Amino acid sequence: QVQQEQWGAGLLKPSETLSLTCGVSDDSMTSSSYWWGWIRQPPGQGLEWIGEINHSGSTNYNPSLRSRVTLSADTSKKQFSLKMTSVTAADTAVYYCARVVVPFGEAHYFDYWGQGARVTVSS
Amino acid sequence: DIVMTQSPDSLAVSLGERATVHCKSSQSVFYTSNNKNYLAWYQQKPGQPPKLLFHWASTRESGVPDRFSGSGSGTDFTLTISSLQAEDVAVYYCQQYYSTPKTFGQGTKVEIK
Repeated sequence: QVQQEQWGAGLLKPSETLSLTCGVSDDSMTSSSYWWGWIRQPPGQGLEWIGEINHSGSTNYNPSLRSRVTLSADTSKKQFSLKMTSVTAADTAVYYCARVVVPFGEAHYFDYWGQGARVTVSS
Repeated sequence: DIVMTQSPDSLAVSLGERATVHCKSSQSVFYTSNNKNYLAWYQQKPGQPPKLLFHWASTRESGVPDRFSGSGSGTDFTLTISSLQAEDVAVYYCQQYYSTPKTFGQGTKVEIK
């Protein structure tokens, strides 16, 4: 079973950069059957897809966040990371990493999720 | 973007009774080339990450009790819990993966009456 651990700074000031990393416990990170994604959930609200990356470094981003988000992956460490620049209070949320299933060559749904990392942006 | 709209926002059902959650997409998520609906359902309990219940609208994940069922096609989908149990109290989300950006419904909170 895939288990994912997330880590990164939990309290940021406006204009700072959010950085989170997710570790994958098995060897699925190098498989072409999966991509690796990030989803966030503001307090008391629904889910917003941020983006996803595969083992080769190909990425898909939510256009609404694309200008501020960079995803990266290090298969040797079995880790993938999220950086979001110029954060504001609107970026306060729980950030989840997740494995994305790729049945037909395109990343689709999320079958395993990390436990979530709470990020608060406040001056 | 494809907008996913769930109804109701919340519902309270007696133990053992049926709970039905609806999800409507702003455009069809049915892909004619492979005859599949690009829709997933998730369950999120308080303080936990979402858990995948169904993909392709009606394909149940391993370990999901068979009292849960997914149905629908095109733009209208339904998640049904045939006999609500206490452990089913959660927020349920639909998600389309037909196009980028992937989008979720706003969630439906299911409680015990």
